[in-house]
Amino acid sequence: SAVISQKPSRDICQRGTSLTIQCQVDSQVTMMFWYRQQPGQSLTLIATANQGSEATYESGFVIDKFPISRPNLTFSTLTVSNMSPEDSSIYLCSVEDPDSTYGYTFGSGTRLTVV
Amino acid sequence: DQQVKQNSPSLSVQEGRISILNCDYTNSMFDYFLWYKKYPAEGPTFLISISSIKDKNEDGRFTVFLNKSAKHLSLHIVPSQPGDSAVYFCAARPGAQKLVFGQGTRLTINP
Repeated sequence: SAVISQKPSRDICQRGTSLTIQCQVDSQVTMMFWYRQQPGQSLTLIATANQGSEATYESGFVIDKFPISRPNLTFSTLTVSNMSPEDSSIYLCSVEDPDSTYGYTFGSGTRLTVV
Repeated sequence: DQQVKQNSPSLSVQEGRISILNCDYTNSMFDYFLWYKKYPAEGPTFLISISSIKDKNEDGRFTVFLNKSAKHLSLHIVPSQPGDSAVYFCAARPGAQKLVFGQGTRLTINP
């Protein structure tokens, strides 16, 4: 399976500021996925990041709020912009796992608290 | 619209006994189902999966059962061990499309 390094692991941020989360994969992958897990909720897909093209956002998520970069096949960033307490969540990046049919490998997550 | 539902937010089981985690889905297009396990401060890790052409898949202590007519799947862990204490997510996808996750069930194994 791919190994994903995600950072920061946690952060406490002031409302109105922005935080950029980084994900580094140890192998080249076509697509990287960004998820959010709000307290007590399921994992919700924010967007799919493809190298060389704009990210594809799911319903309810917009580029202005969650800009994504994908400069190469092993790296991606997600920025949470103009944060409010409602953005307090765990954010996870993931890639498809070639060793698990239709399965994903996840990073360790970023626990964000907005105060 | 919650297409994948785990109606039990938590479950407590005695060590050595069987743990049964349940999951219901609504989308009949789902044809692949997965279970993930998540420890605190870690990302979810893949546990076991099942294709819609099967009704059972077994891997060591873990067995997943699929009842397509009822749109229900379950994960059986036997015997349960303290290290199994974690949050378990079921997930489903239609072919190669995106995964849809349930809300998770927190399993606690008591010594």
